[in-house]
Amino acid sequence: DIQMTQSPSTLSASVGDRVTITCRASQSISSWLAWYQQKPGKAPKLLIYKASRLENGVPSRFSGSGSGTEFTLTISSLQPDDFASYYCQQYNSYSPTFGQGTKVEIK
Amino acid sequence: EVQLLESGGDLVQPGGSLRLSCAASGFTFSTYAMSWVRQAPGKGLEWVSAISGSGGTTYYADSVKGRFTISRDHSTNTLYLQINSLRAEDTAVYYCAKARGLFGVLTNLFDYWGQGTLVTVSS
Repeated sequence: DIQMTQSPSTLSASVGDRVTITCRASQSISSWLAWYQQKPGKAPKLLIYKASRLENGVPSRFSGSGSGTEFTLTISSLQPDDFASYYCQQYNSYSPTFGQGTKVEIK
Repeated sequence: EVQLLESGGDLVQPGGSLRLSCAASGFTFSTYAMSWVRQAPGKGLEWVSAISGSGGTTYYADSVKGRFTISRDHSTNTLYLQINSLRAEDTAVYYCAKARGLFGVLTNLFDYWGQGTLVTVSS
């Protein structure tokens, strides 16, 4: 299976901060990478697919970049609604895998 | 509006069985692959199983192969997960998830998720 490694595991930030989360794949996945946001007790929500394409309805302060094995999710100006956990996921193989998650906390 | 509503989660003893259901609406059910993804308490997301739009092809994570069976009923637009030989490590919230597409990589990109159903394995 392709292993996905996210960093950091926890991130403390303030409203208005620029936030970056990194995801690394154990082998090349081209651009077949998605980012999800999950709030406590809720289902994950698709934010970005194909590494950089914004899902309909997702605010433009979210952006994604990367290809191959290195990817980033950036929130340009953190808003109160953005405090949540974020997961990357590769969908290059028949056995999709997720990163371990990054919790964005209020500083 | 796409809706996915899971049910069937319960407290079961180790070695027991359970069948989870996911009622789908708001889209042409047979057109999309579907998956089950689980999340142990306080942990991350783990893909469990997937089924093609036709139901003819299924995939399983190694951790559940031989114990879990995914299926779908197009007459009732329902996705199922039969879980046998339950272990403590199967304790999790189980989500059903709709794939973005029918073929290739899009079958493992999840654009809609249900609210989840909790399976607890304990004696």
